Amino acid sequence: AQSVTQLDSQVPVFEEAPVELRCNYSSSVSVYLFWYVQYPNQGLQLLLKYLSGSTLVESINGFEAEFNKSQTSFHLRKPSVHISDTAEYFCAVTPMNRDDKIIFGKGTRLHILP
Amino acid sequence: DGGITQSPKYLFRKEGQNVTLSCEQNLNHDAMYWYRQDPGQGLRLIYYSQIVNDFQKGDIAEGYSVSREKKESFPLTVTSAQKNPTAFYLCASSMGTGNEKYFGPGTRLTVT
Repeated sequence: AQSVTQLDSQVPVFEEAPVELRCNYSSSVSVYLFWYVQYPNQGLQLLLKYLSGSTLVESINGFEAEFNKSQTSFHLRKPSVHISDTAEYFCAVTPMNRDDKIIFGKGTRLHILP
Repeated sequence: DGGITQSPKYLFRKEGQNVTLSCEQNLNHDAMYWYRQDPGQGLRLIYYSQIVNDFQKGDIAEGYSVSREKKESFPLTVTSAQKNPTAFYLCASSMGTGNEKYFGPGTRLTVT
């Protein structure tokens, strides 16, 4: 079985400051890893994903995440946040042997302070 | 433009009534999913379908039913047996390695 833990339910951060949203997972098999973003009253959008290869993956809007197999983590970072980054962020994993299955964390709400 | 549509965006019903939520996709994806989202609980899988005329229960299927008569459509019925139906419902679809999911905009159901 797999599980995903997002350690912070809410993260307040000042505009233009850096941010890290933490994600740890547990799995007995290898997994694919995802970060999704949900803006208020909308569906989820894929932010970035790790399938294989370089452990550092980047999105088009300045976010990046690093897969750390030894620590079973996939933390999301941005060096300078904007007010438009206000949203809820979900970490998720899919076991490689069951790609019909995806397990979501409970989400981290990012509050950008002016 | 390809994508997933859900309708309506807001839905209000009286307790004891069945209600059907629509989900349509034109992405030619084989797999479709229904999730329920409650504050602080993330997303929980209700039902999923990997192919037309076939579907499986997810983690919280009790009180819900689905059908998959067409590849493009995967409607969800919330029945009167569902004890706490008020929630935000998200439909998704996927195809391909890595199982990236595409989500619809969601339907917020309020039952009073």
